[in-house]
Amino acid sequence: DTAVSQTPKYLVTQMGNDKSIKCEQNLGHDTMYWYKQDSKKFLKIMFSYNNKELIINETVPNRFSPKSPDKAHLNLHINSLELGDSAVYFCASSPTGLAGDLNIQYFGAGTRLSVL
Amino acid sequence: SQQGEEDPQALSIQEGENATMNCSYKTSINNLQWYRQNSGRGLVHLILIRSNEREKHSGRLRVTLDTSKKSSSLLITASRAADTASYFCATVLAQNFVFGPGTRLSVLP
Repeated sequence: DTAVSQTPKYLVTQMGNDKSIKCEQNLGHDTMYWYKQDSKKFLKIMFSYNNKELIINETVPNRFSPKSPDKAHLNLHINSLELGDSAVYFCASSPTGLAGDLNIQYFGAGTRLSVL
Repeated sequence: SQQGEEDPQALSIQEGENATMNCSYKTSINNLQWYRQNSGRGLVHLILIRSNEREKHSGRLRVTLDTSKKSSSLLITASRAADTASYFCATVLAQNFVFGPGTRLSVLP
């Protein structure tokens, strides 16, 4: 069983559309994250959720919104997609929050988003 | 701003050789972690070293940490073609988990 799974794996869409990426973890972890990896492989944290509370909101546009229906899921909604949103988006989870000693990140396989 | 920065950016070696990658960071840390990313895949955690540790081993991996120099190194011994990947160091900075830009390692058969 995949520990952190995200869907879809590939997403191709037109500028201006709204799209969602789903993420689920079956590890029983307390904290989940979304990262963006650009074409130069630079990985940047976007959000994290701990027990349904947003605890980090890096300076991302408010077109991006995380939604967590329960501890095992953290979905990413993107409104009015722009060309610059093209990237690979990774979901991750960790047993504790970032301040904890068990902040090891477990990553999903990524969603490659292409905005045309 | 980046907390961790790896060097070199790219490294190409022959199978059987050792590979050393370095990471520098800017502020005090609780721990520093190394991750591997194979092409087209997610990152995989390799090893965590705490601020009060100086060296840690895991199989063919050896990580060192020098808090006085704010630097860490990852050594892969007896490299294999399967070690070809990008390697990232990561630490926590101001409630963010920050990754360095990575070292792309190519192990040639």
